[in-house]
Amino acid sequence: DAGITQSPRHKVTETGTPVTLRCHQTENHRYMYWYRQDPGHGLRLIHYSYGVKDTDKGEVSDGYSVSRSKTEDFLLTLESATSSQTSVYFCAITTTVPGNTIYFGEGSWLTVV
Amino acid sequence: QKEVEQDPGPLSVPEGAIVSLNCTYSNSAFQYFMWYRQYSRKGPELLMYTYSSGNKEDGRFTAQVDKSSKYISLFIRDSQPSDSATYLCAIVNTGGFKTIFGAGTRLFVKA
Repeated sequence: DAGITQSPRHKVTETGTPVTLRCHQTENHRYMYWYRQDPGHGLRLIHYSYGVKDTDKGEVSDGYSVSRSKTEDFLLTLESATSSQTSVYFCAITTTVPGNTIYFGEGSWLTVV
Repeated sequence: QKEVEQDPGPLSVPEGAIVSLNCTYSNSAFQYFMWYRQYSRKGPELLMYTYSSGNKEDGRFTAQVDKSSKYISLFIRDSQPSDSATYLCAIVNTGGFKTIFGAGTRLFVKA
Protein backbone atom coordinates (compact mmCIF):
# COMPACT_ATOMS: atom_id res chain seq x y z
CA ASP A 1 0.00 0.00 0.00
CA ALA A 2 1.63 3.25 -1.15
CA GLY A 3 -0.75 5.42 0.84
CA ILE A 4 -2.65 6.80 -2.16
CA THR A 5 -6.27 7.89 -1.89
CA GLN A 6 -8.34 9.01 -4.85
CA SER A 7 -11.61 10.93 -4.72
CA PRO A 8 -14.25 10.71 -5.90
CA ARG A 9 -14.13 7.02 -6.71
CA HIS A 10 -17.15 7.24 -8.99
CA LYS A 11 -18.69 10.21 -10.75
CA VAL A 12 -21.24 10.81 -13.48
CA THR A 13 -21.20 14.25 -15.01
CA GLU A 14 -22.68 16.05 -17.98
CA THR A 15 -20.83 17.11 -21.09
CA GLY A 16 -19.37 20.57 -20.76
CA THR A 17 -19.10 20.64 -16.98
CA PRO A 18 -15.79 20.95 -15.16
CA VAL A 19 -14.61 18.00 -13.11
CA THR A 20 -11.79 17.74 -10.60
CA LEU A 21 -10.29 14.48 -9.39
CA ARG A 22 -8.14 14.50 -6.30
CA CYS A 23 -5.17 12.33 -5.42
CA HIS A 24 -3.83 12.37 -1.89
CA GLN A 25 -0.68 10.61 -0.71
CA THR A 26 0.62 10.24 2.80
CA GLU A 27 4.27 9.24 2.25
CA ASN A 28 5.86 12.39 0.89
CA HIS A 29 6.68 11.01 -2.56
CA ARG A 30 8.09 13.56 -4.94
CA TYR A 31 6.70 12.19 -8.20
CA MET A 32 2.96 11.86 -8.81
CA TYR A 33 1.14 10.86 -11.97
CA TRP A 34 -2.30 10.76 -13.53
CA TYR A 35 -3.07 7.95 -15.97
CA ARG A 36 -6.20 6.98 -17.79
CA GLN A 37 -6.99 3.41 -18.73
CA ASP A 38 -9.18 2.47 -21.66
CA PRO A 39 -9.87 -0.83 -23.46
CA GLY A 40 -7.47 -1.29 -26.32
CA HIS A 41 -5.21 1.55 -25.17
CA GLY A 42 -3.98 0.38 -21.80
CA LEU A 43 -2.58 2.90 -19.36
CA ARG A 44 -1.73 6.30 -20.82
CA LEU A 45 0.00 9.12 -19.00
CA ILE A 46 -1.97 12.36 -18.81
CA HIS A 47 0.20 14.61 -16.64
CA TYR A 48 2.83 14.17 -13.98
CA SER A 49 4.41 16.22 -11.24
CA TYR A 50 7.96 16.21 -9.96
CA GLY A 51 7.41 18.59 -7.08
CA VAL A 52 5.18 21.31 -5.68
CA LYS A 53 4.05 23.51 -8.58
CA ASP A 54 6.22 21.48 -10.97
CA THR A 55 4.15 19.63 -13.54
CA ASP A 56 4.51 18.44 -17.10
CA LYS A 57 2.42 16.91 -19.85
CA GLY A 58 2.12 13.27 -20.72
CA GLU A 59 1.03 11.68 -23.96
CA VAL A 60 -2.72 12.46 -23.68
CA SER A 61 -2.83 15.84 -21.93
CA ASP A 62 -5.26 17.69 -24.21
CA GLY A 63 -8.39 18.70 -22.30
CA TYR A 64 -6.77 18.16 -18.91
CA SER A 65 -4.96 20.39 -16.47
CA VAL A 66 -3.28 19.62 -13.16
CA SER A 67 -2.17 21.41 -10.06
CA ARG A 68 0.04 20.53 -7.13
CA SER A 69 0.07 23.15 -4.39
CA LYS A 70 1.10 20.70 -1.67
CA THR A 71 3.35 17.65 -1.77
CA GLU A 72 0.51 15.39 -0.75
CA ASP A 73 -2.16 16.51 -3.22
CA PHE A 74 -2.26 16.27 -7.01
CA LEU A 75 -5.44 17.47 -8.71
CA LEU A 76 -6.60 16.59 -12.20
CA THR A 77 -9.14 18.92 -13.79
CA LEU A 78 -11.22 18.37 -16.89
CA GLU A 79 -12.05 21.92 -17.85
CA SER A 80 -15.08 21.00 -19.97
CA ALA A 81 -15.81 17.29 -19.86
CA THR A 82 -16.46 15.42 -23.08
CA SER A 83 -17.74 11.89 -23.68
CA SER A 84 -14.28 10.85 -24.87
CA GLN A 85 -13.05 11.51 -21.35
CA THR A 86 -15.23 8.75 -19.95
CA SER A 87 -12.60 6.48 -18.48
CA VAL A 88 -11.04 5.17 -15.32
CA TYR A 89 -8.37 7.45 -13.95
CA PHE A 90 -5.49 6.24 -11.82
CA CYS A 91 -3.23 8.33 -9.68
CA ALA A 92 0.24 6.93 -9.12
CA ILE A 93 3.49 7.65 -7.34
CA THR A 94 7.02 6.40 -7.83
CA THR A 95 9.32 5.23 -5.11
CA THR A 96 13.07 5.65 -5.00
CA VAL A 97 13.92 2.05 -5.79
CA PRO A 98 15.94 1.61 -9.01
CA GLY A 99 13.74 1.90 -12.06
CA ASN A 100 11.26 4.25 -10.44
CA THR A 101 8.66 1.62 -9.64
CA ILE A 102 5.13 2.93 -10.02
CA TYR A 103 2.41 2.31 -7.45
CA PHE A 104 -1.21 3.05 -8.25
CA GLY A 105 -4.26 4.21 -6.39
CA GLU A 106 -7.58 2.42 -6.58
CA GLY A 107 -8.95 4.45 -9.46
CA SER A 108 -11.69 6.97 -10.16
CA TRP A 109 -14.44 5.91 -12.57
CA LEU A 110 -15.73 8.88 -14.54
CA THR A 111 -18.71 8.78 -16.88
CA VAL A 112 -19.50 11.82 -19.03
CA VAL A 113 -23.05 11.76 -20.39
CA GLN B 1 4.76 0.40 -34.04
CA LYS B 2 3.94 0.47 -30.35
CA GLU B 3 6.90 0.54 -27.98
CA VAL B 4 5.47 -2.39 -26.04
CA GLU B 5 3.31 -5.11 -27.55
CA GLN B 6 1.23 -7.43 -25.42
CA ASP B 7 -1.42 -9.88 -26.54
CA PRO B 8 -4.70 -8.82 -24.87
CA GLY B 9 -6.05 -12.38 -24.73
CA PRO B 10 -8.25 -13.46 -23.10
CA LEU B 11 -6.31 -16.49 -21.99
CA SER B 12 -8.28 -19.26 -20.32
CA VAL B 13 -6.56 -22.15 -18.54
CA PRO B 14 -7.58 -24.90 -16.11
CA GLU B 15 -6.52 -24.71 -12.49
CA GLY B 16 -3.02 -26.06 -11.98
CA ALA B 17 -1.79 -25.16 -15.46
CA ILE B 18 1.44 -23.29 -16.17
CA VAL B 19 0.67 -19.88 -17.62
CA SER B 20 3.00 -17.96 -19.91
CA LEU B 21 2.41 -14.24 -20.48
CA ASN B 22 4.62 -12.30 -22.86
CA CYS B 23 5.55 -8.84 -24.08
CA THR B 24 7.90 -7.55 -26.71
CA TYR B 25 9.45 -4.11 -26.79
CA SER B 26 11.21 -2.19 -29.50
CA ASN B 27 13.70 0.15 -27.83
CA SER B 28 16.87 -1.16 -26.24
CA ALA B 29 17.01 1.97 -24.06
CA PHE B 30 14.49 0.35 -21.76
CA GLN B 31 16.38 -1.33 -18.97
CA TYR B 32 13.89 -2.06 -16.20
CA PHE B 33 10.99 -4.45 -16.47
CA MET B 34 7.94 -4.97 -14.33
CA TRP B 35 4.79 -7.01 -14.22
CA TYR B 36 1.59 -5.73 -12.67
CA ARG B 37 -1.55 -7.64 -11.75
CA GLN B 38 -4.90 -5.87 -11.93
CA TYR B 39 -8.07 -7.33 -10.53
CA SER B 40 -11.40 -6.13 -11.87
CA ARG B 41 -12.21 -2.58 -10.79
CA LYS B 42 -8.93 -2.25 -8.88
CA GLY B 43 -5.67 -0.43 -9.48
CA PRO B 44 -2.68 -2.31 -10.91
CA GLU B 45 -0.42 -3.77 -8.24
CA LEU B 46 3.27 -4.50 -8.68
CA LEU B 47 3.95 -8.21 -8.98
CA MET B 48 7.52 -8.56 -10.19
CA TYR B 49 10.42 -6.24 -10.91
CA THR B 50 13.71 -6.98 -12.65
CA TYR B 51 16.45 -5.05 -14.38
CA SER B 52 18.65 -7.76 -15.84
CA SER B 53 18.41 -10.53 -18.38
CA GLY B 54 17.60 -13.92 -16.97
CA ASN B 55 15.04 -15.25 -14.53
CA LYS B 56 13.69 -13.96 -11.25
CA GLU B 57 11.49 -16.13 -9.07
CA ASP B 58 8.97 -15.20 -6.40
CA GLY B 59 6.89 -18.11 -5.21
CA ARG B 60 4.79 -19.40 -8.10
CA PHE B 61 5.82 -16.50 -10.32
CA THR B 62 8.90 -16.27 -12.55
CA ALA B 63 9.82 -13.20 -14.57
CA GLN B 64 12.11 -13.77 -17.52
CA VAL B 65 13.90 -11.12 -19.55
CA ASP B 66 15.76 -11.60 -22.82
CA LYS B 67 17.26 -8.24 -23.71
CA SER B 68 18.86 -9.53 -26.90
CA SER B 69 15.42 -10.43 -28.25
CA LYS B 70 13.61 -7.60 -26.44
CA TYR B 71 11.24 -10.15 -25.01
CA ILE B 72 9.86 -10.45 -21.47
CA SER B 73 7.76 -13.18 -19.96
CA LEU B 74 5.87 -13.97 -16.78
CA PHE B 75 5.29 -17.59 -15.86
CA ILE B 76 2.73 -18.66 -13.29
CA ARG B 77 3.07 -22.21 -11.95
CA ASP B 78 0.20 -24.17 -10.44
CA SER B 79 -2.25 -21.45 -11.48
CA GLN B 80 -5.19 -20.78 -9.16
CA PRO B 81 -8.61 -19.22 -9.75
CA SER B 82 -7.38 -16.31 -7.62
CA ASP B 83 -4.80 -15.61 -10.34
CA SER B 84 -7.63 -14.58 -12.67
CA ALA B 85 -6.83 -10.95 -13.47
CA THR B 86 -5.31 -8.73 -16.10
CA TYR B 87 -1.51 -8.80 -16.23
CA LEU B 88 0.33 -5.77 -17.54
CA CYS B 89 3.98 -5.60 -18.46
CA ALA B 90 5.82 -2.33 -18.01
CA ILE B 91 9.21 -1.17 -19.19
CA VAL B 92 11.23 1.76 -17.89
CA ASN B 93 13.95 3.62 -19.74
CA THR B 94 17.52 3.85 -18.51
CA GLY B 95 17.02 7.22 -16.85
CA GLY B 96 13.99 5.91 -15.04
CA PHE B 97 11.78 8.73 -16.19
CA LYS B 98 9.67 7.04 -18.80
CA THR B 99 7.45 4.03 -18.15
CA ILE B 100 5.54 2.35 -20.94
CA PHE B 101 2.79 -0.15 -20.18
CA GLY B 102 1.54 -3.01 -22.30
CA ALA B 103 -2.18 -3.15 -22.96
CA GLY B 104 -2.57 -6.08 -20.56
CA THR B 105 -3.52 -9.75 -20.96
CA ARG B 106 -6.74 -10.98 -19.35
CA LEU B 107 -6.25 -14.34 -17.68
CA PHE B 108 -9.00 -16.67 -16.53
CA VAL B 109 -8.13 -19.70 -14.42
CA LYS B 110 -11.01 -22.17 -14.26
CA ALA B 111 -11.53 -24.32 -11.17
